[in-house]
Parts: sequence; C-alpha cells; structure tokens
Amino acid sequence: GQQVMQIPQYQHVQEGEDFTTYCNSSTTLSNIQWYKQRPGGHPVFLIQLVKSGEVKKQKRLTFQFGEAKKNSSLHITATQTTDVGTYFCAGPPYGNNRLAFGKGNQVVVIP
Amino acid sequence: NAGVTQTPKFQVLKTGQSMTLQCAQDMNHEYMSWYRQDPGMGLRLIHYSVGAGITDQGEVPNGYNVSRSTTEDFPLRLLSAAPSQTSVYFCASSSRDSTYEQYFGPGTRLTVT
Repeated sequence: GQQVMQIPQYQHVQEGEDFTTYCNSSTTLSNIQWYKQRPGGHPVFLIQLVKSGEVKKQKRLTFQFGEAKKNSSLHITATQTTDVGTYFCAGPPYGNNRLAFGKGNQVVVIP
Repeated sequence: NAGVTQTPKFQVLKTGQSMTLQCAQDMNHEYMSWYRQDPGMGLRLIHYSVGAGITDQGEVPNGYNVSRSTTEDFPLRLLSAAPSQTSVYFCASSSRDSTYEQYFGPGTRLTVT
C-alpha cells in the first residue's frame, strides 16, 4: 500500500499568500526528501531532512521533519508565480537506495 | 557532466511491440532507478539497481525488464507493450556520497496504442 501520503493533492494559491503542504508516512523514516517538478519537467531535489524535529529554510521555503520522523511539511511564504509546479516528498521505508514517493501536491498560482 | 540522459524523448508503440528505453549517467553513481509517472499517481518505482550486475523489483515491475551491465547504463525493456504502459518514464541515479539525492533524467513520454 501507499507508504508516503501527501495532502492536499491540489492547491490554488493567490500570489503573495502563504501555503503549506503535508507529507505523512505509515512507518518511521530515516530521512525525508522534497522534490519540485515544474510543468513538463522532471523532479528536482530541494532538500533532505534527517533529524527528528529538524527545520531547514531555503529563502521563502521552510521544511520541517516531525518529532516522530513520520511526517513532514513544506511551508512557502509570499507565493510567486515561479512556485508553480508539483511538490513531492519521498522517504526510504525499504532502505536508503529505494525511495517511496508521495502522489505530490500540484500547486497553481493565481496572479 | 551531462548528468542523467534518457532516449528517446517521445515514443509511440503499437500493442504487442517491444522496445528499450535507454538511460545513462556520468556521475559514477552506484544506484539507479526507473519510475513511471501517471496523472494523480505520483512516481512509482518500477525497478532499481544498487550496482553493476545487481537489480531488484520495485512497486510496479510487471511487463518490464532491466539489466545493469555497467555502472553508467540502466536500460528498461518493455517486453510486449500494452496501453496500460502509456506513461512518462523517468530514470534517476543517486549515490551514498550525496546522501541518496535522486538526480532525474528528462523523461521519456511513451504512448501505446
């Protein structure tokens, strides 16, 4: 069954607003990775979180790994049109060389 | 470095035909994987390899074969194409040295009629 789940699956966000996307695993993960896929493109690695409760920031993006290492979130502030795309989380429930991806959160930005 | 390359970019097959999707990487990564992406389904792992000569099945392996004779190449073979295999296929590589960050190729868009 689905090991890594993402909610919501779709989001429409007004330009300038903030939004959050969530990722939940049915098992404890050694790490969580986030990827972004622009329309028509391929997934591109954003970040990896390893430690329980870890928080990392990349400009307007804030990534968090839950204390139990079973959930994660991505928060984007002051959304821009360049943020459009699908955001995937991925974890290794079977070992570090084999990732399970969530179904993704497709984000549409309304100008 | 070219990174991960995939050929062809687009392919149309008739039901029952066979073909090979090519994937190559020049980063000396030990791990390589094949994913398929369908609308609303995310990325699903087909097959993966932890090194030359070693392959294993992922989540959706039926109808596909792989081999890994060199570190650089990881071709995916469709044995007898079916309409259900219409999808976008991504190859990815990763390394323990880069904390298993997946580097994806540009993808192959396959249509089976």
